[in-house]
Amino acid sequence: DIVLTQSPDSLPVSLGEKTTINCKSSQSVLYSSNSNNYLAWYQQKPGQPPKLLIYWASTRASGVPDRFSGSGSGTDFTLTINSLQAEDVAVYYCQQYYSTPPTFGPGTKVRVK
Amino acid sequence: QVQLVQSGAEVKKPGASVKLSCKASGYTFTDYYIHWVRQAPGQGLEWMGIINPSGGSTTSAQKFQGRVTMTRDTSTSTVYMELSSLRSDDMAVYYCARAPDPIVTMRYDYFEPWGQGTLVTVSS
Repeated sequence: DIVLTQSPDSLPVSLGEKTTINCKSSQSVLYSSNSNNYLAWYQQKPGQPPKLLIYWASTRASGVPDRFSGSGSGTDFTLTINSLQAEDVAVYYCQQYYSTPPTFGPGTKVRVK
Repeated sequence: QVQLVQSGAEVKKPGASVKLSCKASGYTFTDYYIHWVRQAPGQGLEWMGIINPSGGSTTSAQKFQGRVTMTRDTSTSTVYMELSSLRSDDMAVYYCARAPDPIVTMRYDYFEPWGQGTLVTVSS
């Protein structure tokens, strides 16, 4: 199984600040035949199911504010939140769908400083 | 709108089985894969398996093989997940989640939308 690690575990951020969360894969999730990275990002608020933010490593899901962006390729990926809003306080997970079983990172908790 | 509505919370004894439901609406039920993902209290997300609502074929994670059964009822647009031989570490919120793209296209295992989740408590 592909193992995903995330850093940091927890992240105190001031409102309006830029936030960066890292996700590292134990093997490449870049499919050479189509040049797509099979990586998604989710946001989960307390008591709610996860919500898809980003897929194909950098494509925003429908309705996701443009302050959220994804980047990276191969084994190293980043989720950036520009100008953190109060409603962005949540746990963020990366997930690979390059191979079965799909696996998730352990999560990064973003909180307000 | 696309919606997955799951059954209510369950309390089971160790060794028992639990059968959860996930009712889909807002789209053609047989056109999209449905996955099951669980989350233990305060923990991360764990993929359990996938069902093709059209033909009923399933694939489960190796960890759950022999203990999980996924079925569907096309007349009610509902998928079911039964987990047997429950242990204390099966206590979790169980989510169903839809694949983003129709079955006729490539299968990509990311998930949107998700059901609201069902809490399964395992306690003697």
